[in-house]
Amino acid sequence: DTGVSQNPRHKITKRGQNVTFRCDPISEHNRLYWYRQTLGQGPEFLTYFQNEAQLEKSRLLSDRFSAERPKGSFSTLEIQRTEQGDSAMYLCASSYRGGDTEAFFGQGTRLTVV
Amino acid sequence: AQSVTQLDSHVSVSEGTPVLLRCNYSSSYSPSLFWYVQHPNKGLQLLLKYTSAATLVKGINGFEAEFKKSETSFHLTKPSAHMSDAAEYFCVVRQYGNKLVFGAGTILRVKS
Repeated sequence: DTGVSQNPRHKITKRGQNVTFRCDPISEHNRLYWYRQTLGQGPEFLTYFQNEAQLEKSRLLSDRFSAERPKGSFSTLEIQRTEQGDSAMYLCASSYRGGDTEAFFGQGTRLTVV
Repeated sequence: AQSVTQLDSHVSVSEGTPVLLRCNYSSSYSPSLFWYVQHPNKGLQLLLKYTSAATLVKGINGFEAEFKKSETSFHLTKPSAHMSDAAEYFCVVRQYGNKLVFGAGTILRVKS
C-alpha cells in the first residue's frame, strides 16, 4: 500500500499526558498537512510542511502542540499536557507542491483523552 | 478568505433515486473546489474537483458537480443512489498553499 499511513490508529490517554502521532506521506510528495476533525465537523487545518520546512500554523495549534518533519519525510505531531478538548481525529494528508494537485489523506489517528 | 457552506447536514434518499448535496462557496477570486467522501473508518477520498476548466465536473462512482459562478454554488449530484453511497460528504475550497477549507459535512443516508 503506497498511500498515506498514520500511526497509531487509536490512542486513549489520561489528561495531562503527552502523546505523539506519526504520519508517513506518499513518498514523492513534498507537502504534508495536519488536520483535526471533531465529531460533527469537517476537518480543520492545523499546519503544513513543504519538505522539512513548517510553512504555516493555524491559530488552533496552541503552544502545547508541536509538529516536525525531519528530513522532509515522515512527520510527527506531539500534544503535551493533553486536555479533554484535544479528543478528536487527527488527519494527515500529502500532496505535490503547486498546480492542481490532489491531497491524499490517511485514515487518521483517533485520540481520546479521559 | 474562502469558505464553503453545506446547506444540509443530513440527506436521506431511497436507493435508485437522485442525490443532491448542496454547497455554496465564498471566494474573492475563481476558486478551486472539491468534493470529498468519508466512509466510516475509512480515509477521506476525493470524488471530484473543479479548477476553472469545464464547469460540469464528472467524478468517480457516477457523481458529478456543476460550478455556477452566478449562484456561487457547487452542488453534488448523482442520478441514481446506491446503498454503498451512504457516507459523509464534504465540500472543500482550496486556499493558498494548497490548504483545504472544509464544509461541515452532509451525511447521506440511502434507504432500501
